Amino acid sequence: AQRVTQPEKLLSVFKGAPVELKCNYSYSGSPELFWYVQYSRQRLQLLLRHISRESIKGFTADLNKGETSFHLKKPFAQEEDSAMYYCALNQGDKIIFGKGTRLHILP
Amino acid sequence: NAGVTQTPKFRVLKTGQSMTLLCAQDMNHEYMYWYRQDPGMGLRLIHYSVGEGTTAKGEVPDGYNVSRLKKQNFLLGLESAAPSQTSVYFCASSYGGTAGDTQYFGPGTRLTVL
Repeated sequence: AQRVTQPEKLLSVFKGAPVELKCNYSYSGSPELFWYVQYSRQRLQLLLRHISRESIKGFTADLNKGETSFHLKKPFAQEEDSAMYYCALNQGDKIIFGKGTRLHILP
Repeated sequence: NAGVTQTPKFRVLKTGQSMTLLCAQDMNHEYMYWYRQDPGMGLRLIHYSVGEGTTAKGEVPDGYNVSRLKKQNFLLGLESAAPSQTSVYFCASSYGGTAGDTQYFGPGTRLTVL
């Protein structure tokens, strides 16, 4: 079955420390993966997608097909990174989301 | 350009009551989606539409119905509300062709069923 797993419900990181939000997927074929973010009192929005190989707000994510992972990383956490992060997998005409990880940046 | 809007923002229902949530988008998107967001469960797809006049079931469709009579609108109906339907409901739309296109989300509707 196709699924997205985010093992951490909550991740607390000190400001300035590295961040890694874990995402593992199960998919037969070439996956297309995304990270969406929901800041407090804001709409859910796309953060980045693996096919773009871009860095947004200092975040990067590399697709590792061998480990079936798409972890989101940032070298130095900032307070404004506190938010809910969802990993998502393209299923053709729809996307499935993981259960989300709440990132809390400690001062 | 309002993007994706949802009506209402908040609603409280009694068990057994019915209601309709309205989603509207002004981006000429083909695809539209309804999700519910519950603590610890993430976003779960209720129903979706790949074009005007089409609808399809998502992961948790039971107890909900939808209609897409106009391209810009996607309605979510609860015929007989239950406390288990207490949730935050999000609508989203995307350009189409592939769901790999960015999904644009509405602000959400917080529904409480007593």
